[in-house]
Amino acid sequence: DAKTTQPTSMDCAEGRAANLPCNHSTISGNEYVYWYRQIHSQGPQYIIHGLKNNETNEMASLIITEDRKSSTLILPHATLRDTAVYYCIVSLNDYKLSFGAGTTVTVRA
Amino acid sequence: EPEVTQTPSHQVTQMGQEVILRCVPISNHLYFYWYRQILGQKVEFLVSFYNNEISEKSEIFDDQFSVERPDGSNFTLKIRSTKLEDSAMYFCASSEPSWTVNTEAFFGQGTRLTVV
Repeated sequence: DAKTTQPTSMDCAEGRAANLPCNHSTISGNEYVYWYRQIHSQGPQYIIHGLKNNETNEMASLIITEDRKSSTLILPHATLRDTAVYYCIVSLNDYKLSFGAGTTVTVRA
Repeated sequence: EPEVTQTPSHQVTQMGQEVILRCVPISNHLYFYWYRQILGQKVEFLVSFYNNEISEKSEIFDDQFSVERPDGSNFTLKIRSTKLEDSAMYFCASSEPSWTVNTEAFFGQGTRLTVV
């Protein structure tokens, strides 16, 4: 699986959009970009995934660049409950996820 | 909303003892997984299980570990002779394979294993 690079941490103001970048320059054509998060040592929680097109669901939006070498997860209106570690994972499928260190996102009131 | 449930939430065991961690995956899911997270470290893949057999395992998953789906609803992880370094949070996950669309893995809340 391709390796991803994420910032170690970032802060976000409550109610504002949080934009989480991820670089995956070695992604191959059939690999997906997955985003999971982990709130305070709970089990990881699926957020969204995509292949080429931008995706949106009730939790977030995923913007993937045209060359697929990077992506951005957007939490449109961050709340205090969105404070978590966010993982960007590139994988052929979700049958074996390789978690990195992720980005620790702190939402401040 | 369906969820993966794990029991117990916390297990303390003596070094050298056998321990069984239990999981009830989401009922219509066909793929099952175990991951672990040592305190302060990354979430690590241990094993995936499909059609009553292991489909993939990591280097961590050595002969001390085994998995079983004993009754069609439970999915267990057994550690035969626990070591201090097995202390970690163990997460069970399941997913519904779809041959046309990727689906997400749902994780349980974890079992914290403490080996003393």
